[in-house]
Formats: sequence, structure tokens, C-alpha cells
Amino acid sequence: EPEVTQTPSHQVTQMGQEVILRCVPISNHLYFYWYRQILGQKVEFLVSFYNNEISEKSEIFDDQFSVERPDGSNFTLKIRSTKLEDSAMYFCASSEGPLAAYNEQFFGPGTRLTVL
Amino acid sequence: RKEVEQDPGPFNVPEGATVAFNCTYSNSASQSFFWYRQDCRKEPKLLMSVYSSGNEDGRFTAQLNRASQYISLLIRDSKLSDSATYLCVVNTGKTDKLIFGTGTRLQVFP
Repeated sequence: EPEVTQTPSHQVTQMGQEVILRCVPISNHLYFYWYRQILGQKVEFLVSFYNNEISEKSEIFDDQFSVERPDGSNFTLKIRSTKLEDSAMYFCASSEGPLAAYNEQFFGPGTRLTVL
Repeated sequence: RKEVEQDPGPFNVPEGATVAFNCTYSNSASQSFFWYRQDCRKEPKLLMSVYSSGNEDGRFTAQLNRASQYISLLIRDSKLSDSATYLCVVNTGKTDKLIFGTGTRLQVFP
């Protein structure tokens, strides 16, 4: 069964460093998302991406965050200068079409980011 | 008021029990409703979508009450493998953003 994959599974970084979290969405999917979950808290939407541009972003997704689809398979989330409060599990998700057309968002296994 | 509100639990039930989870949402314009399951330190996985008339999938039954802005999930004949956190999720229909509740933890014991 096709699945979303993410690398690395765990990333440890120093405050102020840049990190890039990588995702390979399901191959025929066109809509891509990043969510995050701080330990013990709810899953929060960060950004959605379609047709090579951001379609929506949350208040969390400030200028320190960026997303890119550098080639036909990868979807990346970059945090330019990490803060302690960026420590969380970051989930990538993809869907074949929009939610309004009853398309399921499939989640990857997540990257645990620890900022020291 | 939180966008999606759930009782965090935990609900500790014996195998074979029936357990019900409730969820309320604040945005009356919400269009789509889901229950996701999340195992410890894993990704959320779709358990079932919730339709206006209510729907059933095996041991799981979901109900939606738009007037009260309330969603429920009923699990019959609980199994040990049902132990997980159950996430109530809504979508306004205007975007593809999923809005998650904090989840209700279920522990099924032998």
C-alpha cells in the first residue's frame, strides 16, 4: 500500500540552526501539507501546498518557515533559525484531491525535532 | 472557546465493553467531520468520516448533530488493540485545513 515517508525520523539541532525536514508524498497525490504536534498537545495545521504554491498557512507558519517541492517527489519544510519552542513532531500529509471532494489526507510517520 | 473540544480521558474499560466519546466544535460552518486514531508517538490515521445521517463501520458508529455541533464515536465490544488516542477532526469546507481536537485516550484492559 502506498504511503507517505519522512526523513529523518529524529533530528536534534542547536537553537538558531537551520533544519530541513523531508517528505515523499504518495506518488499520484497533488495536495501536500505539514502539521506539527508539540508533545502532549493537539495536532496543528502549518501549511498546505498545491500546484507549486502555498494555498494556506497558519499563524504558526511565520517567516522562519518555508516549504518547497524541489523535484517531482520530495516536499520539504525548512525552519531557518530554530527556536526551543519549535521542538515537536512534524507530520507531512498528502491527498489526491481536495477535502471537499472526499479525499483523505494520508499522514507520514513524522519527524521528531528536538531543539537544544 | 476551543475550535474542537474533547474529554481527554483516559477512559479505562475492560475488553468487550462499549465506550462512547463525545466532541463539540465551535464553528457552525464546519462541513466535514472525522475520527482519527493515534497510537503513542505515531501519526494520526483516519478511522472514519462522519456523515450527517450517522454511519457505522463494524464495531464503530459515528453520529453527527449539527444543531448541537456535536460528534460522537461509539466503540462496541472493545478489543485490547483499540487502546489508542481518538482524535475528533473537523474541516470548514472552505480550505483543506484539518482542525484537530486534543484527543481522548482509551485504554482497554484484559
